[in-house]
Amino acid sequence: ELKVEQNPLFLSMQEGKNYTIYCNYSTTSDRLYWYRQDPGKSLESLFVLLSNGAVKQEGRLMASLDTKARLSTLHITAAVHDLSATYFCAVYNNNDMRFGAGTRLTVKP
Amino acid sequence: NAGVTQTPKFRVLKTGQSMTLLCAQDMNHEYMYWYRQDPGMGLRLIHYSVGEGTTAKGEVPDGYNVSRLKKQNFLLGLESAAPSQTSVYFCASSYSRVSGVSYEQYFGPGTRLTVT
Repeated sequence: ELKVEQNPLFLSMQEGKNYTIYCNYSTTSDRLYWYRQDPGKSLESLFVLLSNGAVKQEGRLMASLDTKARLSTLHITAAVHDLSATYFCAVYNNNDMRFGAGTRLTVKP
Repeated sequence: NAGVTQTPKFRVLKTGQSMTLLCAQDMNHEYMYWYRQDPGMGLRLIHYSVGEGTTAKGEVPDGYNVSRLKKQNFLLGLESAAPSQTSVYFCASSYSRVSGVSYEQYFGPGTRLTVT
């Protein structure tokens, strides 16, 4: 069974600092997604990673995928308050999509 | 384009009542999905459809039924609502044969359902 583990579940950061969110999954996967969710809102797509070694960057966020280790990371560079949200990874395999529990990120001034 | 829309946005049901949630997409997508999100958790897949007239079970299908009679619509039904079905329901769609391969899943705004 496909399982997805995300850590940390809660993350409080100072503005300007760097940090990484980790996403481990249990079986081979077709692709991996990262989403952002603001309170009471829907999911906003950040990245779709398709192959081993894939790296994508958008602004202060960079995602990478290591399919051999079954690990994806979301790296935050020089955090700003606007990045405060919950971040989810999700793993897609054969029409089945499994989400991690989410990382609730709070960026403090 | 409206993208993915969901109807209704909010609903309160009594235990045992039935209801249908409607998801509509105007992107000519083949695949559609229904998820539920409980507080403090990630989304869990209820049912999905890979084309008009086809549906399949996801991770948590019990207590729900779905239908995809038209390509643009995906309906989620609760025949006899239970308090455990209190949740936020999200619909998503992906993949258009016309515009080519895209792995993005586009999510609707959600339906907040409370069962008392």
